[in-house]
Amino acid sequence: NAGVTQTPKFQVLKTGQSMTLQCAQDMNHEYMSWYRQDPGMGLRLIHYSVGAGITDQGEVPNGYNVSRSTTEDFPLRLLSAAPSQTSVYFCASSYLQGNSPLHFGNGTRLTVT
Amino acid sequence: DAKTTQPPSMDCAEGRAANLPCNHSTISGNEYVYWYRQIHSQGPQYIIHGLKNNETNEMASLIITEDRKSSTLILPHATLRDTAVYYCIVRVFDQTGANNLFFGTGTRLTVIP
Repeated sequence: NAGVTQTPKFQVLKTGQSMTLQCAQDMNHEYMSWYRQDPGMGLRLIHYSVGAGITDQGEVPNGYNVSRSTTEDFPLRLLSAAPSQTSVYFCASSYLQGNSPLHFGNGTRLTVT
Repeated sequence: DAKTTQPPSMDCAEGRAANLPCNHSTISGNEYVYWYRQIHSQGPQYIIHGLKNNETNEMASLIITEDRKSSTLILPHATLRDTAVYYCIVRVFDQTGANNLFFGTGTRLTVIP
């Protein structure tokens, strides 16, 4: 059971470039989300989804797009990378019912120069 | 969701109990208390959660005061592998089921040999 898988682990972008951070889970979880973590800070919610075809904004959505075409995958797109998006990105998933704990991936470390 | 207050750092001797406090004085009746931890730069890991009653699992115990304004996470026999940042989070489990957690800066626990 792989859990939540994020790729790539590391990425360096130049300002203005675009890229997609991949997130996949094999636990049939309805809920998926993306967080970013900056040095010395807690995690901040970017976008989330409660099922295929449904997405919504979190605390810091600007500069990011998401889509949820399948239950398993929840990619995060940076359309025009900025140095302020240098961060560690975490994907998480859980069941919707009950107080299901969040399962996190091991993160993607992104640097924008 | 209610705000939480945690000490920024704590030390604990290996083999002793680690008691991590959390203040959530504005918690409302339907808000749960969750604890997660983040070891080094890995994704956060769920530890335990509770509403009113004390809870125990294989990892830790959660003690919630009778007025629910504070709680304590107890790691009964701390090991070096318990060195991590511990996050106390309170949230309402709403009707959408969206498992959106809002992380603070947590407590950095250092277990000393």
